[in-house]
Amino acid sequence: NAGVTQTPKFQVLKTGQSMTLQCAQDMNHNSMYWYRQDPGMGLRLIYYSASEGTTDKGEVPNGYNVSRLNKREFSLRLESAAPSQTSVYFCASSEALLAGASTDTQYFGPGTRLTVL
Amino acid sequence: AQSVAQPEDQVNVAEGNPLTVKCTYSVSGNPYLFWYVQYPNRGLQFLLKYITGDNLVKGSYGFEAEFNKSQTSFHLKKPSALVSDSALYFCAVRDIRRLSFGAGTTVTVRA
Repeated sequence: NAGVTQTPKFQVLKTGQSMTLQCAQDMNHNSMYWYRQDPGMGLRLIYYSASEGTTDKGEVPNGYNVSRLNKREFSLRLESAAPSQTSVYFCASSEALLAGASTDTQYFGPGTRLTVL
Repeated sequence: AQSVAQPEDQVNVAEGNPLTVKCTYSVSGNPYLFWYVQYPNRGLQFLLKYITGDNLVKGSYGFEAEFNKSQTSFHLKKPSALVSDSALYFCAVRDIRRLSFGAGTTVTVRA
């Protein structure tokens, strides 16, 4: 049981390049999330998915797209990377559907450290 | 909107001494509060959460947190800190859609 896995662990891009960050969970969770972590700002939600086939914007969605491929996988795409997207990206998952899910616990992957030059 | 604040960027304690990491919250309705820990170059690990009931919540690795409704606080505590507790600690509050995190507190425990 690996929990939440993310690939790649590190990535360096040039401005304007595109890439996709991959996330998978093996806990049969319904909800999945993408966060970015920047110094002094905690974690900020980019997008989330309450169930397979649904996605919603979080606090900072601009410049990103997501795809909930199936129940296990939730990918984050940067279409045209910018230096402001240099960050550490975390994927998380939780068991419950979002409605009434205020009490459920999110479990995090190890992160992807992205640098955009 | 729900939010949490961690008033201290850094906390330094000696090994064996009590450790407290402060968190205050602002919510409309019932607060659902969480603590996470992040070790260097790792993802966040869940420590404990307050949903309802007993104001003292016990969690992983000997940590506990005290919910105080009148002071709108949810401070994380450990009676006797270890060097291995050195990490970044996040308080978070959950609303229907997401977790909102504080900025984090770096804890350094010196031997």
